[in-house]
This record gives sequence, C-alpha cells and structure tokens, in this order.
Amino acid sequence: LAKTTQPISMDSYEGQEVNITCSHNNIATNDYITWYQQFPSQGPRFIIQGYKTKVTNEVASLFIPADRKSSTLSLPRVSLSDTAVYYCLVGDGGSQGNLIFGKGTKLSVKP
Amino acid sequence: SAVISQKPSRDICQRGTSLTIQCQVDSQVTMMFWYRQQPGQSLTLIATANQGSEATYESGFVIDKFPISRPNLTFSTLTVSNMSPEDSSIYLCSVDSGQGEFFGPGTRLTVL
Repeated sequence: LAKTTQPISMDSYEGQEVNITCSHNNIATNDYITWYQQFPSQGPRFIIQGYKTKVTNEVASLFIPADRKSSTLSLPRVSLSDTAVYYCLVGDGGSQGNLIFGKGTKLSVKP
Repeated sequence: SAVISQKPSRDICQRGTSLTIQCQVDSQVTMMFWYRQQPGQSLTLIATANQGSEATYESGFVIDKFPISRPNLTFSTLTVSNMSPEDSSIYLCSVDSGQGEFFGPGTRLTVL
C-alpha cells in the first residue's frame, strides 16, 4: 500500500490560493489519489479524486504529474472556513477501504 | 454523494461495558467500513463490513472486541466490547459510493 507524505501544517491568509503537495512514491498502477478535508469533531469530507493530469471541481483542483509520484491539491481563494486538516490518500479505486490515512496537513487560514 | 448518519453521536460509558454504534446510509452501498480516530490522531481502518458474511478485520483488530453486523446494504453496526479508557475515540463509518469514500459524522466515545 502506497504511503503518503504531506507537510504537517501550513498557514495562509484569506483570499490566497493554497497548494498542498503530497508525495506518494510507491503509488501502484491501479491506485487513485483522493483528498479529504476534516473539521474538528467531524468525519472526513471527500474533496476530490484523480488518477492523472488535472481534475477540477467546484471546490478544488488536483494536479498530478505524469509519473504520479506526487499530487497537489489547490484551493482557490481560501476563507477562514477552510481551516481544517487535509488528508491525501492513495488506494485502489475499485475497492476503497484499504485507504491509509496519514497525519494530514493542518491548514490554518488567517484573516 | 451518500448521506450517512450515525447513532449515538456521543456517549460516555463505564469501563467493562459495551456500546453498539449504528450506521445508516440513505442508499444501497456495497462497501461499508468502520474507522477509529483516537484523540489527536489520524483515522485507522478497523474493518470492512460485508453484507451477508463476516466482517474483514485489519491487523490489530479482532471480532471479539469489535463485532460488526451488516444485515443489509444500507445499515451496519459496530460494537465496542468490554471497553477500557483506551477505547475512548471517535468511531466513524464510511461507504464507497463508487466516486470516493464518504464518511459519517462519527460517534465520540469516552470511557471512564
């Protein structure tokens, strides 16, 4: 199972774009990359999932280079409510549940 | 995305007792999972709840301590048996919708 490495914490200011990079050097061919957001005392919330290149939804963008050994979650114009822990996970898209949660990145957005 | 509810949302229990946590999904799903998140820690997968058969447990978790039921495709329970303070944690169920894994709100358990 691919292990992921993320920065432990990041600070930002309201209105800025935030990019959180995750390393997953041992990603397998059939692994997808998924990002979750977790607020205190709540379950993780699915943000975005991708396999390669770029994926964009109404919340974020996910950039995945050709070698897939890393990925970058991009949050446009963050607000105070984006303060949360962000987890990067890799796993078999066909049988989720073997996802291993790392420590995540604690994003603090300041006014 | 699936809507997932859990009961109870929180509980305080005495050492040696057991607590059953319920997870209800608003649609039929094949894969349901149970996680634990200890204070200040990340999530750890306990087991996969299989409909119609025994749950599949991860290393370090056993059926006697965490019995799981999955009577149908929308419901599962996790029991934390013979609890000790070390079991104080948030317990979360999740489902695989085919477009990612979605989590319930969690059950905050405190064992005295």
